[in-house]
Amino acid sequence: QVQLQQWGAGLLKSSETLSLTCAVYGGSFNSNFWIWIRQSPGRGLEWIGEINRRGGTNYNPSLKSRVTISVDAAKSQFSLKLGSVTAADTAVYFCASSVTFWADYWSQGSLVTVS
Amino acid sequence: QSVLTQPSSVSGTPGQRVTITCSGTSPNIGSNTINWYQHVPGTAPKLLIYSTNQRPSGVPDRFSGSKSGTSASLAISGLQSEDEADYYCASWDGSLKGRVFGGGTKLTIL
Repeated sequence: QVQLQQWGAGLLKSSETLSLTCAVYGGSFNSNFWIWIRQSPGRGLEWIGEINRRGGTNYNPSLKSRVTISVDAAKSQFSLKLGSVTAADTAVYFCASSVTFWADYWSQGSLVTVS
Repeated sequence: QSVLTQPSSVSGTPGQRVTITCSGTSPNIGSNTINWYQHVPGTAPKLLIYSTNQRPSGVPDRFSGSKSGTSASLAISGLQSEDEADYYCASWDGSLKGRVFGGGTKLTIL
């Protein structure tokens, strides 16, 4: 059973860079996409972006100038960097993978607060 | 404001059938398939429906999806207390060149 576990700083100051890493366990690191999604307080889900197995990336246009998603297949991990954060970036961040279907496995998420 | 529009809440009694709608436009729901996710806050969201109307292995057949034009629906029959959660639709938007979600619907079991 595929499981995703993420980690990274939970409290940031404005203008800092958010950095999260997601590790994939319980199966080969074989996915069509590795994805980051967030949920701001009291709001719905927002797609941040994704990277495919060939290393191609696709980002939410509203975040594109500040986002970088990368993969380290040797470690079965993928990462998110979001630069110049503000209070509007305060959210629960999820990582997800697309083993068979888009976003078929998710992490539990972690809260990132920007003060 | 989410690209896909869902009712903020629906409710039902055990055993009842409820439907959650997801309204979009031609570049998203009108042209692409839809996934539905169930999310109990504090846990990992779960894929319920993929490709508009397909259930992954392990998802009960009480859950079903459909689409007509630029609107999609998730139906849940035989409501159970454990169905109380937030439900989200998702699709690809060919105009925005990205994935889009609905704002989420909170299902309350009365």
